[in-house]
Amino acid sequence: EVQLVESGGGLVQPGRSMKLSCAASGFTFSNYGMAWVRQAPTKGLEWVATISYDGSSTYYRDSVKGRFTISRDNAKSTLYLQMNSLRSEDTATYYCTRGSITRDYWGQGVMVTVSS
Amino acid sequence: DVVMTQTPVSLSLAIGQPASISCKSSQSLLGTSGKTFLNWILQRPGQSPKRLIYQVSKLYSEVPDRFSGSGSETEFTLKISRVEAEDLGVYYCWQGTHFPHTFGAGTKLELK
Repeated sequence: EVQLVESGGGLVQPGRSMKLSCAASGFTFSNYGMAWVRQAPTKGLEWVATISYDGSSTYYRDSVKGRFTISRDNAKSTLYLQMNSLRSEDTATYYCTRGSITRDYWGQGVMVTVSS
Repeated sequence: DVVMTQTPVSLSLAIGQPASISCKSSQSLLGTSGKTFLNWILQRPGQSPKRLIYQVSKLYSEVPDRFSGSGSETEFTLKISRVEAEDLGVYYCWQGTHFPHTFGAGTKLELK
């Protein structure tokens, strides 16, 4: 059974940093691109970043470029999102998803609240 | 960015009625590979999104065949032949052809 379990969220002050993790199981992690998608409270879904299966290629939405870094450790079957210089508009539930294009499995999500 | 426009915003239907959701993109979703990366997902209340359909019309294995997807280029449709109670939630179309990947605003399906 494919499982994606996010962790690392919480309350953080504007301008500070936070790192999210996504532990994957039930499939060969190193064979799949992965992505982060977020959802602000009571809002729709927004793609954040994608990483290729081997980590050689990464893609970001403009609003997080230069502030967020997506990475992965295939030996640990874990996906990461390093978020720096956080803003109030980054407040959202962050979902880890499998696939560069298909996005066929989603984690349960982790809440990030940026507030003073 | 590719804008995904979903209509209607909400649907209120009785069990057994058909449903139809439209999704239009601001540019063609036909990729250079010859594939069209238009997908549908369902977010039930209080849950994370779940997969439904990929590449316009391909159902994931666990999705009931009362669901179907169709369309091409910039116009796409999700249909449910007979709505069941478990179908309530918010349906999103999203495109994976062009970066940034973008989502429709969602269609909320409520039961009468």
